[in-house]
Amino acid sequence: DADVTQTPRNRITKTGKRIMLECSQTKGHDRMYWYRQDPGLGLRLIYYSFDVKDINKGEISDGYSVSRQAQAKFSLSLESAIPNQTALYFCATSDWTGSYGYTFGSGTRLTVV
Amino acid sequence: AQTVTQSQPEMSVQEAETVTLSCTYDTSESDYYLFWYKQPPSRQMILVIRQEAYKQQNATENRFSVNFQKAAKSFSLKISDSQLGDAAMYFCAYRSAEGYGGSQGNLIFGKGTKLSVKP
Repeated sequence: DADVTQTPRNRITKTGKRIMLECSQTKGHDRMYWYRQDPGLGLRLIYYSFDVKDINKGEISDGYSVSRQAQAKFSLSLESAIPNQTALYFCATSDWTGSYGYTFGSGTRLTVV
Repeated sequence: AQTVTQSQPEMSVQEAETVTLSCTYDTSESDYYLFWYKQPPSRQMILVIRQEAYKQQNATENRFSVNFQKAAKSFSLKISDSQLGDAAMYFCAYRSAEGYGGSQGNLIFGKGTKLSVKP
């Protein structure tokens, strides 16, 4: 099994729908992250969490919310999806220091029509 | 705030030849980490190489090596003997080493370079 598992792998949803992307990890890492990847823009941070009681906004958090249900689970929600939220979404984890970079999930490709 | 710049949106290399991908960064910190990630068409993000800023020696992993120029704030990736499987997006990333709290533990990514390998 993968160290960081994201579900679903692909999703098409309609404008205005609520959608949740899920992430779970077996690394035992404290830190978890949600990034969004768009062509030509690289990866941009949406939210990050140091533990279940510590959740922080990243540079593009508007229109998104997150929940850290347990140390191993971190979900991303789009309350009312809009077409410009069409992107590839990555969950990632790191240890407390972050000095060895991230372990990434395999991504969720979300299309909002 | 730190920034990471990859000035080459796309590059191409002939199979078996050598290619260098550029990355520059802006920081006022003296201690930090730098990374190169590879994203093949499978879209999985794979760590290629890691460099600690306080180490003068350039990191090497098999056919992948870096040219780390701290004063110039440059961190280029050299791929030797390019293979078809090296075709991918490559992202350069920066992480502060001067604290673990707050946003300092987050990676800052460049916009990526798409590498094509010609047979």
